[in-house]
Amino acid sequence: AQKITQTQPGMFVQEKEAVTLDCTYDTSDPSYGLFWYKQPSSGEMIFLIYQGSYDQQNATEGRYSLNFQKARKSANLVISASQLGDSAMYFCAMREGRGSWGKLQFGAGTQVVVTP
Amino acid sequence: NAGVTQTPKFQVLKTGQSMTLQCAQDMNHEYMSWYRQDPGMGLRLIHYSVGAGITDQGEVPNGYNVSRSTTEDFPLRLLSAAPSQTSVYFCASSYSSAWGESPLHFGNGTRLTVT
Repeated sequence: AQKITQTQPGMFVQEKEAVTLDCTYDTSDPSYGLFWYKQPSSGEMIFLIYQGSYDQQNATEGRYSLNFQKARKSANLVISASQLGDSAMYFCAMREGRGSWGKLQFGAGTQVVVTP
Repeated sequence: NAGVTQTPKFQVLKTGQSMTLQCAQDMNHEYMSWYRQDPGMGLRLIHYSVGAGITDQGEVPNGYNVSRSTTEDFPLRLLSAAPSQTSVYFCASSYSSAWGESPLHFGNGTRLTVT
């Protein structure tokens, strides 16, 4: 069964607007972590932000923030003030359990295109 | 500080050939893993290692072999390449952390085509 679901295959956003990328997850483990990665057209994977299941507050990193709704099992990424350089594929990923450091499960990704 | 280095960047194989994708990291990370990326499927875990001498299978291990003799290196072997193994392969590493917040650090990928 799919553990990470990203329902938006692609989206367009105008420069300087905010965009929300959806991510829902499925786990019965109380200890887990959620990650977002960016993959520009050059292909490298860039870590953006992390949210732990026990974190009381939503994670933020610069223009990236995570809207974490634990009861709904969703961890949506919000990019504020979009820039042309934000055009990329974005992946949501989950690590289940303590000790699964090397293992992430990824969603299928959302392609974001930022237009001038 | 190079991070995670993968070689080669590109490779074309014929069906039945074997090859090894190299991965090395210089961050002294305990954990290393291999993923494959296919269109519309995100990244899927092939094999991973929690330290030198210890490896385990991921979601899609068939057709691949790994070993980890040192902390730094984690090569991925294709024993008999098949067209279904055409993909982009990523090696990644991470360190252990108290609450699992350590992210994966990825290499730049190897684009493999099997004809």
